[in-house]
Amino acid sequence: DADVTQTPRNRITKTGKRIMLECSQTKGHDRMYWYRQDPGLGLQLIYYSFDVKDINKGEISDGYSVSRQAQAKFSLSLESAIPNQTALYFCATSQGWDEQFFGPGTRLTVL
Amino acid sequence: AQSVTQPDIHITVSEGASLELRCNYSYGATPYLFWYVQSPGQGLQLLLKYFSGDTLVQGIKGFEAEFKRSQSSFNLRKPSVHWSDAAEYFCAVGARNFNKFYFGSGTKLNVKP
Repeated sequence: DADVTQTPRNRITKTGKRIMLECSQTKGHDRMYWYRQDPGLGLQLIYYSFDVKDINKGEISDGYSVSRQAQAKFSLSLESAIPNQTALYFCATSQGWDEQFFGPGTRLTVL
Repeated sequence: AQSVTQPDIHITVSEGASLELRCNYSYGATPYLFWYVQSPGQGLQLLLKYFSGDTLVQGIKGFEAEFKRSQSSFNLRKPSVHWSDAAEYFCAVGARNFNKFYFGSGTKLNVKP
């Protein structure tokens, strides 16, 4: 089984809908991250969590919210999706500042 | 503001040729430095990392990188590229003082037969 899983893997939705992307990890890491990837922009950090009670905004948090339900689970919500949130979304985990392990990604399309 | 710059968006090299991918960062203190590779349709995989100590670090798949504090650089190198190295490469910086993590915009590597 994969160490970092993301659901769903693909999602097509309409403008104004609420969407939740989920991430689970089995590595026992303390830190979890949500990134979005757009062509030519690399990965931009949306939110990150150093532990269950420590959640922080990244570079592009507007329009997104997160919930760290447990050490192993970190979900990303788009309260009212808009077309420019169409992107590839990655969850990642790390133990402290060590390497991040990435999930397979969720491809989100907002029509 | 802290940032990571990868000045080359696309690079094409012939198989067997040497490779150097550039990475520059803007951060006052010594950062934690990483190189990741992303194959098409895949997530990111760590190639190598630098935290402290020897400034020349070895990674997987025959890659190495050198930290140069005076140039704020962490360039990735490989002496002989293989066709399977075609992918996108990302430099990343952990800015401990700011509790932030930054990725460069990536360099897409094409390998000619």
